[in-house]
Amino acid sequence: ETGVTQSPTHLIKTRGQQVTLRCSSQSGHNTVSWYQQALGQGPQFIFQYYREEENGRGNFPPRFSGLQFPNYSSELNVNALELDDSALYLCASSSRQGFYSGNTIYFGEGSWLTVV
Amino acid sequence: AQTVTQSQPEMSVQEAETVTLSCTYDTSESDYYLFWYKQPPSRQMILVIRQEAYKQQNATENRFSVNFQKAAKSFSLKISDSQLGDAAMYFCAYSKKETSGSRLTFGEGTQLTVNP
Repeated sequence: ETGVTQSPTHLIKTRGQQVTLRCSSQSGHNTVSWYQQALGQGPQFIFQYYREEENGRGNFPPRFSGLQFPNYSSELNVNALELDDSALYLCASSSRQGFYSGNTIYFGEGSWLTVV
Repeated sequence: AQTVTQSQPEMSVQEAETVTLSCTYDTSESDYYLFWYKQPPSRQMILVIRQEAYKQQNATENRFSVNFQKAAKSFSLKISDSQLGDAAMYFCAYSKKETSGSRLTFGEGTQLTVNP
């Protein structure tokens, strides 16, 4: 049990639609990152939020956007869904100061998105 | 850009025996973190072991140990006394040791099967 919860666990969307995925971070963690993991591949970094601001972004288009709230929970929004967006979306939380001292990055169980 | 390569898509081991998973990486940084994560069928990423690049001593966690060769940019994972519960996908990951502390670059993974 990592203390990171994600919702929904599974969902199916139609191409062109929009989706919002949610993540509740572990208590005390002020940094959240989102990863996309396509079937049979390693996770790819989407972006990271620190104190409600985007703080680093991977090679993903602007239709992937996010929010971090004062309680450090987070959302990942994807607009104009494409078939290739079908993947497991993982949320990871950590404490920025804690990372420097070697604390763990905690992952949630992910949200499976299927785009048809 | 940093890259992580796992050249063994699949490995198998007999229960109670030892197996080594390989990982190489490329970076121009001098200080960074390396990780091995385990991803069971539940899909939740679980940290197995962590190595700080400036530490010459290889990290060890119970039955798990690493062979960190900084000059060769190699970071292998040894699992001793393999157990059925070790069966999972294993990912090698890299992170800079600076502001983007929780931005991980993952390899493609190695699927480990443990035979009874």
